Amino acid sequence: EVQLVESGGGLVQPGRSLRLSCTASGFTFGDYPMSWVRQAPGKGLEWVGFIRGKTYGGTTEYAASVKGRFTISRDDSKSIAYLQMNSLKIEDTALYYCTRDLVMVVPPTPHDSWGQGTLVTVSS
Amino acid sequence: DIQMTQSPSSLSASVGDRVTITCRASQGISNYLAWYQQKPGKVPKLLIYAASTLQSGVPSRFSGTGSGTDFTLTISSLQPEDVATYYCQKYNTAPLTFGGGTKVEIK
Repeated sequence: EVQLVESGGGLVQPGRSLRLSCTASGFTFGDYPMSWVRQAPGKGLEWVGFIRGKTYGGTTEYAASVKGRFTISRDDSKSIAYLQMNSLKIEDTALYYCTRDLVMVVPPTPHDSWGQGTLVTVSS
Repeated sequence: DIQMTQSPSSLSASVGDRVTITCRASQGISNYLAWYQQKPGKVPKLLIYAASTLQSGVPSRFSGTGSGTDFTLTISSLQPEDVATYYCQKYNTAPLTFGGGTKVEIK
């Protein structure tokens, strides 16, 4: 069974940093692209970024709203994906989901498994 | 960047009704379109990808059509468990933009 467990969320002041982790199990982690998607309270879904699997060099893509501030990385030996968030803004407040993405064509691909999410609150 | 516009933003229908949700891309995206269902308080779930391919385990009353800029998600016979917000998402290239969502309720 595919499991994705996010951790690392919490309350942080504007301008500070936070690192989220996504611990995966139940599949060969290194073969899959992984994404982060966020949802502000009462709002819709917003794609944050993704990291390709080793087949495609583990390269990354980001939404314009986080590019230059957020970095996605992965440790295939530990089956963990990370989201490093720097220079946090109030508008980054959201539930952050980790997703496993389909392996079917060259990424990007849709998100076929989702974690339960970890809440990030940016406030002074 | 390509924008994704869903309509309507909400709808109310009776059990057994046929429900159609539309998603329009501001530029052509071929068939790189996915649909997700998010039930209240739950995690989103992939329903359809490649515009019309049903994800494993998804009931056959859900179907998707379209290519280029115009797409539809149809629920052939609305069930109480289909109460949810539905999102489209384009994935031809980054950014993988979601539509604004369509909230489906039972009348």
